[in-house]
Amino acid sequence: SAVISQKPSRDICQRGTSLTIQCQVDSQVTMMFWYRQQPGQSLTLIATANQGSEATYESGFVIDKFPISRPNLTFSTLTVSNMSPEDSSIYLCSVGGQSNGYTFGSGTRLTVV
Amino acid sequence: GENVEQHPSTLSVQEGDSAVIKCTYSDSASNYFPWYKQELGKRPQLIIDIRSNVGEKKDQRIAVTLNKTAKHFSLHITETQPEDSAVYFCAASPYSGGGADGLTFGKGTHLIIQP
Repeated sequence: SAVISQKPSRDICQRGTSLTIQCQVDSQVTMMFWYRQQPGQSLTLIATANQGSEATYESGFVIDKFPISRPNLTFSTLTVSNMSPEDSSIYLCSVGGQSNGYTFGSGTRLTVV
Repeated sequence: GENVEQHPSTLSVQEGDSAVIKCTYSDSASNYFPWYKQELGKRPQLIIDIRSNVGEKKDQRIAVTLNKTAKHFSLHITETQPEDSAVYFCAASPYSGGGADGLTFGKGTHLIIQP
């Protein structure tokens, strides 16, 4: 299965600022997925990133708040913009494979103060 | 969109006993149902999955059953061990074979194995 490197692993940010999270995959993948996991909660899909086209956002998530880049088939970034304390969460990227299911990056633990 | 309900939210069992976690889904287009184990501070790890053309799948002490008519699927862990203590998530996706669709997760079950 694919190996995903995600960074940073954690960060503490001031409200009103932005943070960009990076995910690098060791093989080419068509789709990359970004999830949010609020403290003690389940995972919620933010958006699906397809190389060469705009990301597709789930209900409740907008591009201005969570812009995504997908410059090639092994890399994607998620930016959390104009942060508030409510954005404090773990953000995870994921890729899917037919034989091995979906795997996740190690996550970025974001705290907004 | 898809909605996945998961029960119970917390499950405490004696070491060596069996544990069962149940999920229901709403979208009949869903055809891929994975289960993830998440230990504190770690990423979710796939432990077993099932596709809609299969009713049951087993891997050592872990099994998953699927009733597509009733839109529910269950995780069964037998002979539970302390290292099984974790949060377990079910999920559903209209898996098209190309990894084109994300997962909708249940709210999770905190499994506690009592020594």
